[in-house]
Amino acid sequence: GENVEQHPSTLSVQEGDSAVIKCTYSDSASNYFPWYKQELGKRPQLIIDIRSNVGEKKDQRIAVTLNKTAKHFSLHITETQPEDSAVYFCAASISGYSTLTFGKGTMLLVSP
Amino acid sequence: ETGVTQTPRHLVMGMTNKKSLKCEQHLGHNAMYWYKQSAKKPLELMFVYSLEERVENNSVPSRFSPECPNSSHLFLHLHTLQPEDSALYLCASSQDRVGNQPQHFGDGTRLSIL
Repeated sequence: GENVEQHPSTLSVQEGDSAVIKCTYSDSASNYFPWYKQELGKRPQLIIDIRSNVGEKKDQRIAVTLNKTAKHFSLHITETQPEDSAVYFCAASISGYSTLTFGKGTMLLVSP
Repeated sequence: ETGVTQTPRHLVMGMTNKKSLKCEQHLGHNAMYWYKQSAKKPLELMFVYSLEERVENNSVPSRFSPECPNSSHLFLHLHTLQPEDSALYLCASSQDRVGNQPQHFGDGTRLSIL
C-alpha cells in the first residue's frame, strides 16, 4: 500500500520567515495530495490540495509543489505569522479509492 | 464551521463499559469515515462508509463496531476497550469515496480508557 513520509517532525521559525514541509510517497499511482492544518484541540482543516496534473498551486501565503518523478510534494508558507503555529499533515490518495494515507505530521512553531 | 459534528467531545470510560460515539454531517456528502489519532502517529483510517454501506474495515478489533443508519449519521460503538485505545477519534466526510476529494473533519472525541 501507499506510504507517506513527512519531514521535519518539528519546525521552529521566526515570524516573517518562510517554512517548508516536505513529503514523499511510494505509490506512483497517487494523484491527489491534500494538506491539513490542525491547531491544538481543533479539527484538521484542509488548507490546500494539488492534483497530479499540475506542478504547483498557490493560495496567498501558502503554496504546494509536486514533483511526480521524484514522488515528493512540499508545502511552502511565506511571511509566517504566530497564528500559523499548528500541526500540518500531508496526505496522498489514488483516484477511485477512498483511502487517504497521511504523514505523521509536522509541528510548526512561529515565534513572534 | 459546523459541517461535521461529533459528540461527545470527551469521554472517560472503564474497560468494561459500553459507549457510543456519534457523528453527524450537514454537507450532503455520501461518504463518511472514522479515524483514530494517537500521539506521534499518522492518522489511522478505521472504517469507511459509502451511501450507508461499509466499504473498508482496516483490521480494526471487533471491540469497535461502526453503524451508519443513513448518509448523514455515523456511530462508533465501543465495548471492552483497552488502555491503548485511548486516543482522539475523528469523523470525516467527503462528497464521494473516489479518493481525490477533500475530507471534512469533525472536532473529534477525546477518549480515555481507565
